[in-house]
Amino acid sequence: DTAVSQTPKYLVTQMGNDKSIKCEQNLGHDTMYWYKQDSKKFLKIMFSYNNKELIINETVPNRFSPKSPDKAHLNLHINSLELGDSAVYFCASSQREGQETQYFGPGTRLLVL
Amino acid sequence: AQKITQTQPGMFVQEKEAVTLDCTYDTSDPSYGLFWYKQPSSGEMIFLIYQGSYDQQNATEGRYSLNFQKARKSANLVISASQLGDSAMYFCAMRNFGNEKLTFGTGTRLTIIP
Repeated sequence: DTAVSQTPKYLVTQMGNDKSIKCEQNLGHDTMYWYKQDSKKFLKIMFSYNNKELIINETVPNRFSPKSPDKAHLNLHINSLELGDSAVYFCASSQREGQETQYFGPGTRLLVL
Repeated sequence: AQKITQTQPGMFVQEKEAVTLDCTYDTSDPSYGLFWYKQPSSGEMIFLIYQGSYDQQNATEGRYSLNFQKARKSANLVISASQLGDSAMYFCAMRNFGNEKLTFGTGTRLTIIP
């Protein structure tokens, strides 16, 4: 049973295109996240949603728009893709209370050509 | 602001030896949690171990233990009896209580030599 799943696993696309990455968690968690891991393996949070409400929005271009249809899903839509968007995008989830652990999905490797 | 520092970009360790991966942190919040994640070459992020700032004892999970020294603001990961499958990137991370944001260090690439 996959706890946090992402689709697609790989995404290769041209500059200027619009693409979406989907994330689902079956852990019953309240909070979901998107992280970006760059080519140097540095991980940084992009967004956090709690029960479909946006909690964290780091300094991310407006071309990135998260959407949470329900608390088990958090999708990431990216408009007008740029070369610098090439990275691995991780979805994660956790309970909000206390210091609950964040569990990560397998990652989506995005390559913009 | 919270900050995590991992000063070892890479380490090579002989199989079956113990290894310590360093992590120091900085925060002004007295309540926080510290986490270690493993990222093998396949790319997934695997949670290993957690230590809360108020925990009296060091956390342990199987072969993993966390050497928590609060006064020094360090949270080193100790892996006992290393195995070839331990070869991976290891990330230290922290989160202040009441804040969903998890801040990561730059990682340490551990290679286990047979």
